[in-house]
Formats: sequence, C-alpha cells, structure tokens
Amino acid sequence: EAGVAQSPRYKIIEKRQSVAFWCNPISGHATLYWYQQILGQGPKLLIQFQNNGVVDDSQLPKDRFSAERLKGVDSTLKIQPAKLEDSAVYLCASSSSGFDEQYFGPGTRLTVT
Amino acid sequence: GENVEQHPSTLSVQEGDSAVIKCTYSDSASNYFPWYKQELGKGPQLIIDIRSNVGEKKDQRIAVTLNKTAKHFSLHITETQPEDSAVYFCAASENNFNKFYFGSGTKLNVKP
Repeated sequence: EAGVAQSPRYKIIEKRQSVAFWCNPISGHATLYWYQQILGQGPKLLIQFQNNGVVDDSQLPKDRFSAERLKGVDSTLKIQPAKLEDSAVYLCASSSSGFDEQYFGPGTRLTVT
Repeated sequence: GENVEQHPSTLSVQEGDSAVIKCTYSDSASNYFPWYKQELGKGPQLIIDIRSNVGEKKDQRIAVTLNKTAKHFSLHITETQPEDSAVYFCAASENNFNKFYFGSGTKLNVKP
C-alpha cells in the first residue's frame, strides 16, 4: 500500500513570498491532517479535513494560511505571505476514519529567509 | 485545550540498556495515547498506542504504561539497539476525530 505522498520535499523562499504544499493521502482515507513542526518541537495540528469538509482549523493562522481538499482526496496548503517564523516542516497525515491510526508523510521542509 | 509534557528531551543509553520516556497530560477526557518514532528526514511513525481502559501494553521490546489517576504515561524500550536511535513523540487525544496533542519529543541516542 502506498503511503502518504507530499511535495515538494524542500522549499526555500523569501519572506512575503507565497508557497504551496501538496499532499496525497493513502487511498480511501477519509480524514486528512496538516501539521506544522517547528525544529525541536512536536507536530502542531493546523487543519483537519473529513472528506472535503473542515473538522478543525482552530490553530490555522487564517490571515496567511489556507488549505483545501476539493474532491475529498488530495489537499493543498498555502501560505501567503510567508513570514520568517513559518520556517518549519509541514507534515500531512491521513487516517481511514478519524478514529484510528494516523499515517504521516515525509513532510515538506520550508525555509523562509 | 490539552497540554502534553514530555521528559527527558534527550536520552543517551548504551546498547542493550533500557530507555524510559515519560509524558504527562492535563485533560482527564483524553483517552487515546499513541507513541511515534521519527527518524531524520521522515515523518513520524506509530510504534505503539494505548487506550484509557488499559493500564499496560507490550509489543516485543516496547511497552507503554498508563496511569489515568496521575495523568501520565510512559514508553519503555528494552534491549535497546542502535536502530532505536530517533526522536520519540508522545501524544494524547480525546478521540474527538483523533485531534492529537503532541509532546515536545525525546531524542534517543543508543551508543553501540
């Protein structure tokens, strides 16, 4: 079974630029999560989708971050404009129903200069 | 919301020794406690989990214990091997669509 795919793996941008990350969850998984992992910290949930609906986005900085999962499959996370403090690894995870194990992708390492 | 604290932040052991990582949580409604292992450049991978109706769970060299009264849970790794070297994260969830709150991580170094 293929795992969670993410791209790009690495991205370097200047502050105030925009960036987008893509995630393709495990086939058939209804729940998709985006996490932000700052160096030396545990992952922090940004947004959670159940199919194509948002379950939780309480920790998403909505003035600059947006995410969508239009067809209930793959998802895109966007940052516009980026700030220095957005430098982190952005992890995507999926689970089959939202009540079981979360499978993580390899992450996208973002560096904002 | 839930607050999960994890200790120690770094742990160095000799190959063959045991390693113990401890976590505490604040929300008594939390009822699911997974442990993840994260290797360099990879996403976290589930290694063991425990639900609140169980006090202990074991899988080969790995075990997890849960004390609901004290709101703490621990990961025990016996007979450590160099390939156990990684960052380990604990998490807690209310099982409310599995919103996880992660600890800050423990970097385990197993010296050959």
